[in-house]
Amino acid sequence: QVRLQESGPGLVKPSETLSLTCSVSGGYHGREYWSWLRLPPGKGLEWIGDLYSTGTTRYNPSLKSRVTISGDSSKNQFSLKMTSVTSADAAVYYCAQVTFSGAGGWFGPWGQGTRVTVSS
Amino acid sequence: YELTQPPSVSVSPGQTATITCSGDYLERKDVSWYQQKPGQSPVLLIYQDHKRPSAIPERFSASTSEIAAILTIRETQSIDEGHYYCQAWDLSVAIFGGGTNLAVL
Repeated sequence: QVRLQESGPGLVKPSETLSLTCSVSGGYHGREYWSWLRLPPGKGLEWIGDLYSTGTTRYNPSLKSRVTISGDSSKNQFSLKMTSVTSADAAVYYCAQVTFSGAGGWFGPWGQGTRVTVSS
Repeated sequence: YELTQPPSVSVSPGQTATITCSGDYLERKDVSWYQQKPGQSPVLLIYQDHKRPSAIPERFSASTSEIAAILTIRETQSIDEGHYYCQAWDLSVAIFGGGTNLAVL
């Protein structure tokens, strides 16, 4: 059973960089896709991007210029960095495993989420 | 690309709730559904249009037509209250619907 746990600062100042880490444990074999998503207050879920075990990444075009997702297999972790944050980036951030098959893919399991506030 | 869901759906306990998700050419895409209860992480309910993970009760089912994807919850209970999201991929971007708040009244 794969388990994911997000960690990182809960408060980030405007214009600074948000950095989060997702720790993965359980029965995975190293050929998975991992993803970051977020839930802004009062809004719906938003996909940020994903990372394959080879290091290949894909990003939401709306965030691509500010986002980097990377992995550290030695620590069973993958990370999110988002630069130049604004109040619009305040959200609960989730990491999740992605499974692809056929015409699409699905997210699960998910981490418990970590709330990020943007304020000076 | 957009997926459109009704903001809210209300249902009486024991009745059947249906939540729709509409989008262009949805029948050509695989649709997933997620449940998110207050204060909890999203949970995968349905993948590949109609498949249920083993931990999800049979009360939850889904189908996809040319017009929309539909999530059906039979024998709705108070524990089913929460937000429900549909999701599909378009040009390698994961798209979520705006979410539907299910109230069991």
